[in-house]
Amino acid sequence: SQKIEQNSEALNIQEGKTATLTCNYTNYSPAYLQWYRQDPGRGPVFLLLIRENEKEKRKERLKVTFDTTLKQSLFHITASQPADSATYLCALPWTGGSYIPTFGRGTSLIVHP
Amino acid sequence: EPEVTQTPSHQVTQMGQEVILRCVPISNHLYFYWYRQILGQKVEFLVSFYNNEISEKSEIFDDQFSVERPDGSNFTLKIRSTKLEDSAMYFCASSEGAGGSGANVLTFGAGSRLTVL
Repeated sequence: SQKIEQNSEALNIQEGKTATLTCNYTNYSPAYLQWYRQDPGRGPVFLLLIRENEKEKRKERLKVTFDTTLKQSLFHITASQPADSATYLCALPWTGGSYIPTFGRGTSLIVHP
Repeated sequence: EPEVTQTPSHQVTQMGQEVILRCVPISNHLYFYWYRQILGQKVEFLVSFYNNEISEKSEIFDDQFSVERPDGSNFTLKIRSTKLEDSAMYFCASSEGAGGSGANVLTFGAGSRLTVL
């Protein structure tokens, strides 16, 4: 079955550094991959989508890469700020044949001032 | 900016009681979803709804659950007889399209926290 793996350990970094979060997946060839941000007690908020034929996508301080050979996506936040502290979720289309996003457990990012 | 609204924000109920969670999706979106998140766990898909019927559902969405779009704006999730393990945050989401080349970008509501005692 499809598995989406994100590092369950929190990532602690200093303000101004680049945060890099990893999403690995198995048993699937997704047409696209999404990243969402979730703050405590809130719903996920969409950040970026990258398609299988794209290697990299950027939006302001955010950058996503997608390596379909390694079955991995990397999510980078450059010049990180304490306000970037949140849980970041990776989502892939469901294996059922539809395109409904299925989420990984997410990685918590803590940016220290 | 358009948003998905959910009510109530928190509901406490006794085991065995029926619960209805309500959602108002974004007005020009055609696809509606319910997800749930048990504390400390991942966001899990329950059901999707399009053109007034269920389009997909997960194994979690058993006979205790039902969804309805009773009018042009509301989208509801009903849990018929709640169990302790139904305690979770329930998120409603909507999207313009359904994936394929368009991909599903979901807009989530703030969630309804359900506590079953």
